[in-house]
Amino acid sequence: DAGITQSPRYKITETGRQVTLMCHQTWSHSYMFWYRQDLGHGLRLIYYSAAADITDKGEVPDGYVVSRSKTENFPLTLESATRSQTSVYFCASMGAGGSQPQHFGDGTRLSIL
Amino acid sequence: QKEVEQNSGPLSVPEGAIASLNCTYSDRGSQSFFWYRQYSGKSPELIMFIYSNGDKEDGRFTAQLNKASQYVSLLIRDSQPSDSATYLCAVNGSGNTGKLIFGQGTTLQVKP
Repeated sequence: DAGITQSPRYKITETGRQVTLMCHQTWSHSYMFWYRQDLGHGLRLIYYSAAADITDKGEVPDGYVVSRSKTENFPLTLESATRSQTSVYFCASMGAGGSQPQHFGDGTRLSIL
Repeated sequence: QKEVEQNSGPLSVPEGAIASLNCTYSDRGSQSFFWYRQYSGKSPELIMFIYSNGDKEDGRFTAQLNKASQYVSLLIRDSQPSDSATYLCAVNGSGNTGKLIFGQGTTLQVKP
């Protein structure tokens, strides 16, 4: 049972570069989410998706782009990385219904120099 | 702004004691409530969820919900050093969008 996997686990890049974080889930969950977690801010929602081809902004979407062409994948792209985007990124998924628990991937630790 | 508030702690309890973690939320229309445990450097792990007023027990864990007071709590009985972690309260706001609002978390330290 692979569940939800994120890649890479660790990434170092430079300001201005484009970087894509991958998220893949094997549960066929309808909903998928991207969060960032920073000291002093807790978990903040970046983008979410209720189904393939349906995405919406969360609390902190600026500087990020998402797509969801297939139910199982939900990549997050930083088009031009900035130091303020250094963070730990978590992907989560949830079954249909809107009130189910979310299940998290192991996270990607991203450092932007 | 919909909010979920938790005492950041640290909450320190001796091994074997009951740890009580509390959370308040601002959206009166919230319907689903979750507790996640997060060890340092790891991802949040679901430990309890509750939808109805009252208590829900699962092993050493009991979640308590009082919608009138907009209050949810987590009790950990017979606390163990392995319970030392940050506990995140999360609330699904009204509208059933699937989005969760997380509290900042309470750090629990269980001392042997």
